[in-house]
Amino acid sequence: SQTIHQWPATLVQPVGSPLSLECTVEGTSNPNLYWYRQAAGRGLQLLFYSVGIGQISSEVPQNLSASRPQDRQFILSSKKLLLSDSGFYLCAWSVAGARHSNSPLHFGNGTRLTVT
Amino acid sequence: GEDVEQSLFLSVREGDSSVINCTYTDSSSTYLYWYKQEPGAGLQLLTYIFSNMDMKQDQRLTVLLNKKDKHLSLRIADTQTGDSAIYFCAERAGGFKTIFGAGTRLFVKA
Repeated sequence: SQTIHQWPATLVQPVGSPLSLECTVEGTSNPNLYWYRQAAGRGLQLLFYSVGIGQISSEVPQNLSASRPQDRQFILSSKKLLLSDSGFYLCAWSVAGARHSNSPLHFGNGTRLTVT
Repeated sequence: GEDVEQSLFLSVREGDSSVINCTYTDSSSTYLYWYKQEPGAGLQLLTYIFSNMDMKQDQRLTVLLNKKDKHLSLRIADTQTGDSAIYFCAERAGGFKTIFGAGTRLFVKA
């Protein structure tokens, strides 16, 4: 069966420090991968998605970047964190391919980031 | 543009039915989803419905879809305290973007 791992679970970082959040998926090949951010009382905002190694699409301009160095590894980064980067970050995967274009998202347990 | 709206709070007594409502705007949505989020955790897929269906039942969960009014509902029968969580409605019209509502926080009173 497929599993998704996200770490760390919580992180407190000072303004201006770098960030690296990691996500890995097991039990499937060539998944679509996503990073979402959830703000309190709001829905989920799609930040990045990837359909393959080295292929990253950004949904909104921001202080963050994403990379996919391996098929089942997705990393969210920042060179210098801002206060506004605080939030709950969720990694997700879905089955790839045109036949599965509406396949549901499967989420990790999230990372609570607090920028102080 | 695409938008999904839900009421923010719902409170019910244990044993009653809960009905969580959602409206969406994209008429080309092919799949609509319900996710559950417990405190401090990620989102768990509860159920989904294809746009050519009116209703889907899965144990205590019933999903109703009114495509004409772009209205989706999730009914939880015999609501338990363990059902207390945030419930997200989401739509996917193809492509890579799933649009989520802000979530409905369900409180279950014992």
